[in-house]
Amino acid sequence: EVHLVESGGGLVQSGGSLRLSCVASGFSFKSYYMSWVRQAPGKGLEWLAYISGNSGIPVYYANSVKGRFTISRDNAKNTLYLHMNNLRAEDAATYYCVKGVSGYFFDYWGQGAAVTVSS
Amino acid sequence: QTVVTQEPAFSVSPGETVTVTCGLASGSVSTDHYPSWYQQTPGQAPRTLIYNTVSRSSGVPDRFSGSIFGNKAALTITGAQADDDSDYFCALYMGNGIWVFGGGTKLTVL
Repeated sequence: EVHLVESGGGLVQSGGSLRLSCVASGFSFKSYYMSWVRQAPGKGLEWLAYISGNSGIPVYYANSVKGRFTISRDNAKNTLYLHMNNLRAEDAATYYCVKGVSGYFFDYWGQGAAVTVSS
Repeated sequence: QTVVTQEPAFSVSPGETVTVTCGLASGSVSTDHYPSWYQQTPGQAPRTLIYNTVSRSSGVPDRFSGSIFGNKAALTITGAQADDDSDYFCALYMGNGIWVFGGGTKLTVL
């Protein structure tokens, strides 16, 4: 059974940094592309970042986080990361780790990690 | 900036059929966008319903179906049930590893 478990969320000051982790199990992690998707309180879903399977290259970002967020993966640890720098109030959200599938969709979602940004 | 549009809300009675659409503010949605649909209930992570426009994810009841309806992607629930009272989001693949989600549709079944 596929499981995606995020951690690393919490309260951070505006301008600060945070690293989210997502431990994957139940599938061959290295073989699949992964993404991060977030949801601000009471709002819709926003795709943030993509990382290819195997080598982890290429990576792609939404304009809203480009230059501030970095997606990476450690296939030996079955772990996906999202490094977030220069956090802003509008980055406050629940961040979901999602597993990608050929056919350009996401078939499994983690339960999410909540990030709060204080001014 | 790509904007994906959805109806903000629908309200239906149990047993009724409802179609939620997913469009582009500029342009038409086609199968080349690989439309997918996700269902989310309050406090829960999204669940995948439909992918590649028409394919149902494992375990999804056959009352859920996807299609292209005119210049939009569409999610149809035939015979809505109380359990279908949820938020529904579409996602379009824009190429180069980039997706855009619609703003979501809140479906009330009562």
